[in-house]
Amino acid sequence: DAMVIQNPRYQVTQFGKPVTLSCSQTLNHNVMYWYQQKSSQAPKLLFHYYDKDFNNEADTPDNFQSRRPNTSFCFLDIRSPGLGDAAMYLCATSRDVADTQYFGPGTRLTVL
Amino acid sequence: SQQGEEDPQALSIQEGENATMNCSYKTSINNLQWYRQNSGRGLVHLILIRSNEREKHSGRLRVTLDTSKKSSSLLITASRAADTASYFCATDSNYQLIWGAGTKLIIKP
Repeated sequence: DAMVIQNPRYQVTQFGKPVTLSCSQTLNHNVMYWYQQKSSQAPKLLFHYYDKDFNNEADTPDNFQSRRPNTSFCFLDIRSPGLGDAAMYLCATSRDVADTQYFGPGTRLTVL
Repeated sequence: SQQGEEDPQALSIQEGENATMNCSYKTSINNLQWYRQNSGRGLVHLILIRSNEREKHSGRLRVTLDTSKKSSSLLITASRAADTASYFCATDSNYQLIWGAGTKLIIKP
């Protein structure tokens, strides 16, 4: 049974056209994370929520926003995607910060 | 920021051989975790070793941790084609996971 679900799996958008990626979890975990991963690189943490408490990484561009309306769902909004934002976006959850993280399958974003 | 450095960056071995990957880090940690990522997919947690542990086993996986040298190794014994993947270490420091750059492992049939 899928525990961390990401939709869509593949997203194509145009330069500058806003896009929203979604993540849901059935684990009832407190923490949800969004990572950006480019080819052959480590995942780069964009931000995380501990419950409703939002934590932004210092170097996350303002172009990236997130919402967590409830425990199960978390969204990544990219307000004006640039070509450099093409990447795999990974959602993960954990019971507590720095615990084992459970990842979704990712959404591959293409920017035309 | 990345605290973990992994070596080698890439490793290619014959099926059935053992594979060893290393991870070094800079600051004191609470735990160190290893993850596997198959091509184009999400990461899967393999094993977590706490700072007061020296060795941990899970099936064909063996992880060691040397806090004096700030290093860890992941050994995969009797490798299989399905072990082909990228392997990442992640260290918990100040209650945040810091990721290494990963080792790309290829198992040749």
